Amino acid sequence: NAGVTQTPKFQVLKTGQSMTLQCAQDMNHEYMSWYRQDPGMGLRLIHYSVGAGITDQGEVPNGYNVSRSTTEDFPLRLLSAAPSQTSVYFCASSSAGRFSGNTIYFGEGSWLTVV
Amino acid sequence: AQSVAQPEDQVNVAEGNPLTVKCTYSVSGNPYLFWYVQYPNRGLQFLLKYITGDNLVKGSYGFEAEFNKSQTSFHLKKPSALVSDSALYFCAVRDPGGGGADGLTFGKGTHLIIQP
Repeated sequence: NAGVTQTPKFQVLKTGQSMTLQCAQDMNHEYMSWYRQDPGMGLRLIHYSVGAGITDQGEVPNGYNVSRSTTEDFPLRLLSAAPSQTSVYFCASSSAGRFSGNTIYFGEGSWLTVV
Repeated sequence: AQSVAQPEDQVNVAEGNPLTVKCTYSVSGNPYLFWYVQYPNRGLQFLLKYITGDNLVKGSYGFEAEFNKSQTSFHLKKPSALVSDSALYFCAVRDPGGGGADGLTFGKGTHLIIQP
């Protein structure tokens, strides 16, 4: 019962480098999203997707790209890493619409440090 | 716009005592409310949610929460705390009528520390 799987768990990047955080879910959920967690700020939405081929911006989208070519996968790309993107990143998924009462399930997180 | 407030950064409770982690919310309509727990270096785990019906919701690990519409609160409670309950707790609200790109807004989190 894998649920939401994120890779890598830990990553150190140099400023200006690009990378992709991978996210996969095996629950056939339509809705997927990426959050970042910073101390004292809770979780903030970066991008989300309501189904394959459909993505949209959240609260803090700058510096990040996403795509949703399949229902299962929702990768997050950092285009040119900056120290301000040092954070913990969480992928999440749920069934049905974004305004539903369905439970959102989170991955284990990806700890990213940009030096 | 919807919002969630967790007024305490940290709550300290002796093991065996009851615990309460506070959460208040603001939405335009009837809310969907969630509690999640995060252990060190781990993801968020779902504890419980309120969608409709009984105001007292029971969840995982003996936790419960009471929805109070007049006070716009959804406090998390447990009758007898365990040291293993020590973690970071997040309250979240979803406005089923809209209000934001995702409709899900998190509080800033409350560190719960259970002292042996």
